[in-house]
Amino acid sequence: DQQVKQNSPSLSVQEGRISILNCDYTNSMFDYFLWYKKYPAEGPTFLISISSIKDKNEDGRFTVFLNKSAKHLSLHIVPSQPGDSAVYFCAASPYSGGGADGLTFGKGTHLIIQP
Amino acid sequence: NAGVMQNPRHLVRRRGQEARLRCSPMKGHSHVYWYRQLPEEGLKFMVYLQKENIIDESGMPKERFSAEFPKEGPSILRIQQVVRGDSAAYFCASSPPEGTEAFFGQGTRLTVV
Repeated sequence: DQQVKQNSPSLSVQEGRISILNCDYTNSMFDYFLWYKKYPAEGPTFLISISSIKDKNEDGRFTVFLNKSAKHLSLHIVPSQPGDSAVYFCAASPYSGGGADGLTFGKGTHLIIQP
Repeated sequence: NAGVMQNPRHLVRRRGQEARLRCSPMKGHSHVYWYRQLPEEGLKFMVYLQKENIIDESGMPKERFSAEFPKEGPSILRIQQVVRGDSAAYFCASSPPEGTEAFFGQGTRLTVV
């Protein structure tokens, strides 16, 4: 039973446009949500996080939106750049204190930025 | 400040052998986490350790797998009597005590032949 779902295995976006990556979750106990970026043969790199008490968090070109009632979050990247091409993982935790204890990851979305 | 260091990067073992994966956390980080990624899957939590203590091992298989984080030296994930299904990428992450985000290493790719 997948508790964190990323329903789009891949997404192709033109350079300069907005990339929107989606994530759905089923566990109401999740309290903290994160997005990671991963290049081939490397470990995941933390991008941005959001606590369940917020509905939006912004960091430069990256914004994460959380809709608790719909159990849905999304990552917006604008403008998209070629270096953004990577696999993006959504992750959720029942703990709000940071770290990486008990994170549940989605299967990832492969974002391809077209020149 | 070096990142999280994992070695070896690639490890090949025959069925029935033991695999030892090592993880040196970032300087100043006392919390270590191990995750496993099977092909075409997301990362799956295995275990969370602090120095000399296992804090959360809810994701560890009950048999053949063990982890430690001694007072001195790296954290070790040990898999005894490996089977083909253990083939995966194993990632280690570390974080400081004050609970900010964790940083992942580059992973160890274990292949069981």
